[in-house]
Amino acid sequence: EAQVTQNPRYLITVTGKKLTVTCSQNMNHEYMSWYRQDPGLGLRQIYYSMNVEVTDKGDVPEGYKVSRKEKRNFPLILESPSPNQTSLYFCASSFHPVLKSTDTQYFGPGTRLTVL
Amino acid sequence: GENVEQHPSTLSVQEGDSAVIKCTYSDSASNYFPWYKQELGKGPQLIIDIRSNVGEKKDQRIAVTLNKTAKHFSLHITETQPEDSAVYFCAALQNQAGTALIFGKGTTLSVSS
Repeated sequence: EAQVTQNPRYLITVTGKKLTVTCSQNMNHEYMSWYRQDPGLGLRQIYYSMNVEVTDKGDVPEGYKVSRKEKRNFPLILESPSPNQTSLYFCASSFHPVLKSTDTQYFGPGTRLTVL
Repeated sequence: GENVEQHPSTLSVQEGDSAVIKCTYSDSASNYFPWYKQELGKGPQLIIDIRSNVGEKKDQRIAVTLNKTAKHFSLHITETQPEDSAVYFCAALQNQAGTALIFGKGTTLSVSS
């Protein structure tokens, strides 16, 4: 089954404790992206990747890191989480390196992160 | 950059009624406008999309219209059912960069039976 998976689905942590949220897709997609969803703000892009070893900042990258060492995986790293990073996080992927009008972006099920 | 405004933020309808959600965008170069449905506890899922060379697209009870001149597009759901209850997001593709979909803030649709 074609899908985007994220782990963990739920995470409660404390300020300053490094964490990683994993994202994996099995569709051989070039493009991957991380979003955060906050009430009243919709989905905002954190980072994206157009291919292995190619990543760039989205609209809200502060406090986050990413890596793309393999095509299928795109982990989101919070080196020193803070309470304002409490949010619902979504990973997404798409076929081409750059989003095109012929592409569909597929989303993972989400990771709900709480930073105390 | 692109900015997408979505209205209303909440919408309550009776089963069988129609629901309309409207979005406006700022970048006239944007050429792709998808709509996503997000059910509770799940990720957004594409339900319909429209490209800038088309004015209207239908898929069973769902339709999307696009007015390029006015830079707005709308989602129309007819004969609503309780399972249509969800959060709906419109989005626009930043054509020049092609690196992101810019999303509206979402509309929570509640269909009561």
